[in-house]
Amino acid sequence: LAKTTQPISMDSYEGQEVNITCSHNNIATNDYITWYQQFPSQGPRFIIQGYKTKVTNEVASLFIPADRKSSTLSLPRVSLSDTAVYYCLVGEGGGFKTIFGAGTRLFVKA
Amino acid sequence: GAVVSQHPSRVICKSGTSVKIECRSLDFQATTMFWYRQFPKKSLMLMATSNEGSKATYEQGVEKDKFLINHASLTLSTLTVTSAHPEDSSFYICSAGSGASSYEQYFGPGTRLTVT
Repeated sequence: LAKTTQPISMDSYEGQEVNITCSHNNIATNDYITWYQQFPSQGPRFIIQGYKTKVTNEVASLFIPADRKSSTLSLPRVSLSDTAVYYCLVGEGGGFKTIFGAGTRLFVKA
Repeated sequence: GAVVSQHPSRVICKSGTSVKIECRSLDFQATTMFWYRQFPKKSLMLMATSNEGSKATYEQGVEKDKFLINHASLTLSTLTVTSAHPEDSSFYICSAGSGASSYEQYFGPGTRLTVT
């Protein structure tokens, strides 16, 4: 399983764009990149998933370079409620086991 | 998206007793379910992979006789913590995948176990 590396923590202010980068140098051909958000005492919540290039949904964008050895989660105009831990996961998908890295603790300030 | 539920959401038990936690996929069939444990301010740690109709696969260092997993149907997996001790107090989270055709894991809300 590919190992992921993310910054331990990040601070931001309301209204700013936040970019969190994840390194996954050993990503395999069949692996997808998935980002989850977790609030205290809750299960992780799916944010976005991609395989290559760029993916955008209503809450975030995911940028994946051609070599796929890293990915960047972009959160536009964060609010206080975006304060959470964000996990980057790499794996073959829902039916295959996934190993969580340490995650990035994002703190959004007013 | 698909919904995964857990029951109970919180449980307090005495040391030496056993506790069962249920994980259900509400609107899809889950051939595979995963059980995680999470300590305060730490990441999720995968404990085991539960496959419907077969024995669970445990991660290294997880005692299979202490953490009994049963995946009796395509919508239900249970984790039983046997002879619980205070060090088993943790947040237990399950997730479910519907197979290779779905690339997303769906997570339950978690169960807070406190052993006194």
